[in-house]
Amino acid sequence: DTEVTQTPKHLVMGMTNKKSLKCEQHMGHRAMYWYKQKAKKPPELMFVYSYEKLSINESVPSRFSPECPNSSLLNLHLHALQPEDSALYLCASSQGQGEGYEQYFGPGTRLTVT
Amino acid sequence: AQSVTQLDSHVSVSEGTPVLLRCNYSSSYSPSLFWYVQHPNKGLQLLLKYTSAATLVKGINGFEAEFKKSETSFHLTKPSAHMSDAAEYFCVVSDGGGFKTIFGAGTRLFVKA
Repeated sequence: DTEVTQTPKHLVMGMTNKKSLKCEQHMGHRAMYWYKQKAKKPPELMFVYSYEKLSINESVPSRFSPECPNSSLLNLHLHALQPEDSALYLCASSQGQGEGYEQYFGPGTRLTVT
Repeated sequence: AQSVTQLDSHVSVSEGTPVLLRCNYSSSYSPSLFWYVQHPNKGLQLLLKYTSAATLVKGINGFEAEFKKSETSFHLTKPSAHMSDAAEYFCVVSDGGGFKTIFGAGTRLFVKA
C-alpha cells in the first residue's frame, strides 16, 4: 500500500471556526509533512514530523497547530483562519527524513476560508 | 544554500513529439534530485529520483532525466508526448543538511492534439 489518505477532500470554514485536517499512511514511514499550496505555485513546507516529533516548523502562524498522535496519523488543527489561508493543503510521508528519501503525497484538502 | 530553477514556466508540445523540461540546481553537497508531476486538483506523484547512482534515471510513464554535474542540470525528457502528460511538473532538490525539500517554481506542460 503506497497511499497517503487525507480527509476531508474539501472544507469551507468561517474565520471563527475550529476544524481539523487528517492525514494517514500505512507504509511504515517515519517522517510526515504538511504543505500549503496556493494556485499556480509550488507547495510550501509548513511542518515536518520525524519519529512523531516536530522537527521543522517553518514559522507558521499559531492559528495552524500540527499534531502527530502516532506514526501513521498526522493532524492539522485550524483556528481563527484568515481568507488568505485558503489553499490546497497537502500531506506527505517518507521512509525517513533527509536526503534521498522520496515523499509520497496525499490528494490534498481544498480549504476555503470565508 | 541549495536552490532549484525551472527554466520554463510553460512548455507546449504536440502529441507524439518529444518533451524537454529544464531544471538547474545549486547545491553545496552531492544532491538528491526528484521530478514530481501534479495533475489538476490532485496531489503530487513521484516521476523519478536521482541519488548519486546512475546519472541517467528512468522513471514512470516513459520519462527519464539525466544528471549532469558539470552543467548542474537535471532535465526531464520523454520521447513522445501523450495527452495525459498535460500537467504541472516540479523539480525538487533535497537539502541533506537541513532535511528540507526545495521545490522549483514548476513547469506547466500543454499537449496539443
